[in-house]
Amino acid sequence: NAGVTQTPKFQVLKTGQSMTLQCAQDMNHNSMYWYRQDPGMGLRLIYYSASEGTTDKGEVPNGYNVSRLNKREFSLRLESAAPSQTSVYFCATHPRQGGGGYGYTFGSGTRLTVV
Amino acid sequence: AQTVTQSQPEMSVQEAETVTLSCTYDTSESDYYLFWYKQPPSRQMILVIRQEAYKQQNATENRFSVNFQKAAKSFSLKISDSQLGDAAMYFCAYRDGGATNKLIFGTGTLLAVQP
Repeated sequence: NAGVTQTPKFQVLKTGQSMTLQCAQDMNHNSMYWYRQDPGMGLRLIYYSASEGTTDKGEVPNGYNVSRLNKREFSLRLESAAPSQTSVYFCATHPRQGGGGYGYTFGSGTRLTVV
Repeated sequence: AQTVTQSQPEMSVQEAETVTLSCTYDTSESDYYLFWYKQPPSRQMILVIRQEAYKQQNATENRFSVNFQKAAKSFSLKISDSQLGDAAMYFCAYRDGGATNKLIFGTGTLLAVQP
């Protein structure tokens, strides 16, 4: 049972390059999220998908785009990477739309460095 | 907008002793959930404990317990009989009862456990 799988685990980009971070889950969860983690700032929400077919901006969406390809997959794209996007990126899932006391299930993270 | 504040960037505890990590939050909602997550050096995000706002009883999970003071909007984590494996970054998180299930994180407290 893989849970939430993020690829790649590490990536170095040059300023201006593009890349897509992949997230796939096998838990049949409805909601998926992308966060970035920076020192001293906790985790901040970039984009989320409350259910298949919907996506919405979070707290820090600038410079990113997302695609909810199907129920299992939620990708995060950097069109033109900037050094300010150097961070650790986490994908997370939640069982269902509409709350409940469930916590998130997290992927293992992607460490991205933009030089 | 809801906010979560962790005022202790770093804490230290002796092995077998007890430590309390502080968290305060701000919300106008009455229906919400609070969480503590642990992030060891492996970077994995691990759910430690959760609390539903409508429950007056404080949540407990083995050596981990919370002190939930709803009126004061305070949600502290107590770790009893601290172990070396408890050394990690701890994040407090808030989620309202709405449909999006967005988690709002604090900035984290880095806990060191001294042998």
